[in-house]
Amino acid sequence: RKEVEQDPGPFNVPEGATVAFNCTYSNSASQSFFWYRQDCRKEPKLLMSVYSSGNEDGRFTAQLNRASQYISLLIRDSKLSDSATYLCGGDSSYKLIFGSGTRLLVRP
Amino acid sequence: EAGVAQSPRYKIIEKRQSVAFWCNPISGHATLYWYQQILGQGPKLLIQFQNNGVVDDSQLPKDRFSAERLKGVDSTLKIQPAKLEDSAVYLCASTSSLWTGGIGELFFGEGSRLTVL
Repeated sequence: RKEVEQDPGPFNVPEGATVAFNCTYSNSASQSFFWYRQDCRKEPKLLMSVYSSGNEDGRFTAQLNRASQYISLLIRDSKLSDSATYLCGGDSSYKLIFGSGTRLLVRP
Repeated sequence: EAGVAQSPRYKIIEKRQSVAFWCNPISGHATLYWYQQILGQGPKLLIQFQNNGVVDDSQLPKDRFSAERLKGVDSTLKIQPAKLEDSAVYLCASTSSLWTGGIGELFFGEGSRLTVL
């Protein structure tokens, strides 16, 4: 079983839609979780950190459920510019382990 | 503040040839990581350095891959001999934040894109 698993998508949604991604992790000792955004042929960039139950930043909300070992990312009022791949990551012994990424396409 | 620098940005080689990638992390970042990202997949950790010491290289194919960070600053990742399946983007990342049970934000370089023919 992979340490971090994500639905690869793609999620194809219209502008203004709300979309949610889930990510599951297997290492119950993980303390730090992250959502990174990766544009095509670019490097990953941090979108949100999740250290406790959740985090909110504008249209983006991340939730952590330790009992079920999953992290979610909610994007409200989707914009065309939100089209990207979203990588979920969890720490494991001071290393960041990534899932395979979830691709989001926002259409006009 | 300067970001993580990597070179070369692109490299095309034939199988069985060798290649080396260079990374200079953000100044003051003690922890440096090399990731391999194959098209359509998430980044896969190859090796982690803390200053000039290797913390974890369990995922590094040591028969062909090597990496060093001799002075605890910049790092080099080498592949010799290259195989077709090594075609990927090699990402270097650094962080200043490690604490008991957790890590902080990783900052990534733009990556080195390798094509093996």
